Amino acid sequence: GNSVTQMEGPVTLSEEAFLTINCTYTATGYPSLFWYVQYPGEGLQLLLKATKADDKGSNKGFEATYRKETTSFHLEKGSVQVSDSAVYFCALKPSGGSNYKLTFGKGTLLTVNP
Amino acid sequence: EAGVTQSPTHLIKTRGQQATLRCSPISGHTSVYWYQQALGLGLQFLLWYDEGEERNRGNFPPRFSGRQFPNYSSELNVNALELEDSALYLCASILGSVRDTDTQYFGPGTRLTVL
Repeated sequence: GNSVTQMEGPVTLSEEAFLTINCTYTATGYPSLFWYVQYPGEGLQLLLKATKADDKGSNKGFEATYRKETTSFHLEKGSVQVSDSAVYFCALKPSGGSNYKLTFGKGTLLTVNP
Repeated sequence: EAGVTQSPTHLIKTRGQQATLRCSPISGHTSVYWYQQALGLGLQFLLWYDEGEERNRGNFPPRFSGRQFPNYSSELNVNALELEDSALYLCASILGSVRDTDTQYFGPGTRLTVL
């Protein structure tokens, strides 16, 4: 079956530090890959996505590249801010077929200190 | 454009009662997904409705059920509530299930607490 594995948290960084949150997946074919962010007390917001190999998703300074050869979609940001403190979820949606449910990683809590 | 809305924001019930949660998708979206986010368990897929039909369900007991109305809004019902049903319930919508690249957009969730 499909699965997503992301690095265990929590991750604590100082403002302006470099961020990497690792995400690897198991799926057949070419799934679509997503990063969602959940701020405290809120639902999920789409951060970025990529739908085919070598695509790079980017938004708000965050980036992730779809690497088919390593089945990875690592999230990076060059300089984090306190406002980036949130839980980050990596997710995949299978390609083709009729089952479009998302499979999520367990989430990574990021805390950025001033 | 209004996003996905959910009601109520918070719901407190006692064990054995029934809970009804509601979701209105983004205008024009016909597919609705429900997820449960329980503490320590991450996000688990619950149900998927498209064009008024239940298309798929996750690994949950039958006391979790729902429906989708002609206007594509959806309702999740949880019968015979148990303490472990306490969770954030998230609804997401997409434009239509036939498009392979559709993105799911999430609502703010309903926090269900079972006492």
